[in-house]
Amino acid sequence: QKEVEQDPGPLSVPEGAIVSLNCTYSNSAFQYFMWYRQYSRKGPELLMYTYSSGNKEDGRFTAQVDKSSKYISLFIRDSQPSDSATYLCAMSESGGGADGLTFGKGTHLIIQP
Amino acid sequence: DAGVTQSPTHLIKTRGQHVTLRCSPISGHKSVSWYQQVLGQGPQFIFQYYEKEERGRGNFPDRFSARQFPNYSSELNVNALLLGDSALYLCASSRQGSNTGELFFGEGSRLTVL
Repeated sequence: QKEVEQDPGPLSVPEGAIVSLNCTYSNSAFQYFMWYRQYSRKGPELLMYTYSSGNKEDGRFTAQVDKSSKYISLFIRDSQPSDSATYLCAMSESGGGADGLTFGKGTHLIIQP
Repeated sequence: DAGVTQSPTHLIKTRGQHVTLRCSPISGHKSVSWYQQVLGQGPQFIFQYYEKEERGRGNFPDRFSARQFPNYSSELNVNALLLGDSALYLCASSRQGSNTGELFFGEGSRLTVL
């Protein structure tokens, strides 16, 4: 069993829909949780960064962390075609420093105009 | 402000050769990390350097090495290249050390080993 599980998709939704992306993990020591967006042949771009459990909102994006279930989610409201990309969840024990970040495989999201 | 810059952007090598990849962090960032991303997978942690010292290492063989210079730029070296080393190599920088918070990635160096 991999440390971080993420459905690779593709996930295809119409423009304007609410998108739900999620990851599960097995390492209970993870405390820092991130979501990155990666366009084709580009480097990952940090979208959301959260520590421990709870919710965080930034514009159209909401990140949720449920440590008791070892489950994290990213919601995208009013989805746009420009949101079409691969979304990577990442997590670490110490914030991505000496232990690095552990990434999921990424979910390929397609927003249909 | 300039982001993380990496060079070269693309390169092709043959098995057994070695390669050097370069990274310049965001101005003011002292920590540099390297990741390998194989097609269809998430990035995998290779190294973290902070203040010119190796602070962390992922599960990669000794063929992989790196260093950080006084200006905080970094090099990743891979010796005795294998076909399986073909990947996108990503450099990320952050302000602090072990508890870095946010990592900012460059566009990557795409290595093809023939």
